[in-house]
Amino acid sequence: QVQLVQSGPEVKKPGASVKVSCKTSGYTFTDYYVHWVRQAPGQGLEWMGRISTNLGGTNYAQKFQGRVTMTRDTSINTAYMELSSLGSDDTAVYYCARVGSGWYWVDYWGQGTLVTVSS
Amino acid sequence: DIQMTQSPSSVSASVGDRVTITCRASQGDSNWLAWYQQRPGKAPKLLIYAASSLQTGVPSRFSGSGSGTDFTLTISRIQPEDFATYYCQQGNSFPWTFGQGTKVEI
Repeated sequence: QVQLVQSGPEVKKPGASVKVSCKTSGYTFTDYYVHWVRQAPGQGLEWMGRISTNLGGTNYAQKFQGRVTMTRDTSINTAYMELSSLGSDDTAVYYCARVGSGWYWVDYWGQGTLVTVSS
Repeated sequence: DIQMTQSPSSVSASVGDRVTITCRASQGDSNWLAWYQQRPGKAPKLLIYAASSLQTGVPSRFSGSGSGTDFTLTISRIQPEDFATYYCQQGNSFPWTFGQGTKVEI
């Protein structure tokens, strides 16, 4: 069955960086995009960007340009999202999500990774 | 960016009620809209894509309609497990954007 399993919770200090992993299984990794969506405590969903797992191309939300880097390792079917210059407003649950080529919806989500930014 | 506005922000319902949630996009001329359900502490779950297509495994009491800028999610006879928060999402252009959510409470 399709699974996206994310790395564990992180606690970071302001100004630091965090790298979240998303290990996939149950499907052909390079046939689907991986998107990243975050959710601050008690708030709604915010799209951060996506990576083409086949070619490695990325699209980032303007809000995160220059601070976010999405990569993937096709040898281990894993995608990564790194966010730098963390501030307290980056405290959120970060989700990876699977999207088919030509689709505009997410059919499978990771379980989420809580990133807490605190001094 | 395309702004997505859901209404109401919250709604109270009883088991068996019909519940309707609306979503309005600030621009658009297609049916590139999806609906998700999110229970507390869980990842969102896809319910509807292409405005009205039911995702495999989702109960038929859920339905979606609309096109262009105005969309609706309907739960025909709400069940206890349906009490959750619902989000619409547009995929017409990057950045993808979500509505602010509608919390359906008992």
